[in-house]
Amino acid sequence: DVVITQSPLSLPVTLGQPASISCRSSQGLVHSDGNIYLNWFHQRPGQSPRRLVYKISSRDSGVPDRFSGSGSGTDFTLQISRVEAEDVGVYYCMQNTHWPWTFGQGTRVEIK
Amino acid sequence: QITLKESGPTLVKPTQTLTLTCTFSGFSVTTPGVGVAWIRQPPEKALEWLAVFFWDDNQHYSPSLKSRLTITKDISKSQVVLTMTNMNPGDTATYYCAHSRLNYWGQGTLVTVSP
Repeated sequence: DVVITQSPLSLPVTLGQPASISCRSSQGLVHSDGNIYLNWFHQRPGQSPRRLVYKISSRDSGVPDRFSGSGSGTDFTLQISRVEAEDVGVYYCMQNTHWPWTFGQGTRVEIK
Repeated sequence: QITLKESGPTLVKPTQTLTLTCTFSGFSVTTPGVGVAWIRQPPEKALEWLAVFFWDDNQHYSPSLKSRLTITKDISKSQVVLTMTNMNPGDTATYYCAHSRLNYWGQGTLVTVSP
């Protein structure tokens, strides 16, 4: 199985400041179709996860442009340019290139 | 507009079989490339992918749970059904169904396994 490792697991942030979450996969994520299916999800307390980014860097519809995904190989990053109060919650990195699909442990973002 | 909703028992006893239904609208599981996935989340823990069922009847399961999981579909009812056998307290979790592209999720249903 592809192991997804996120860091940090807890991220206290200041409103208006940038934040960054790292995601590392135990193997490359290039699919046979040439795409890299690396996703980022945000889950607020008591809510279902919401996908923010797919294929490393493509933002889903309605996702603010302060969120950006990047990376290559086995190292990927989700960046928030200026954290807002609604950004609190847990962020998950997830790959659906290889079977079985796997999630990271999650990174909890909270306001300082 | 795509929606999904999970339904099923909130409480099951150890060794029982869990049957969860995902009722969806706004898409069809007969459309090429489309399917329905199941994901679960134990209380205060991370998400865990369980299985996915595709338009061509292709199915994939988590290797650690494969022997206990089965997915079926009822196209006429726009439903996908997940069954999990031999439930134990460690299976207590919120169970989500989602479009296979993972851009649409249901609200989730909490299943507790207890005597």
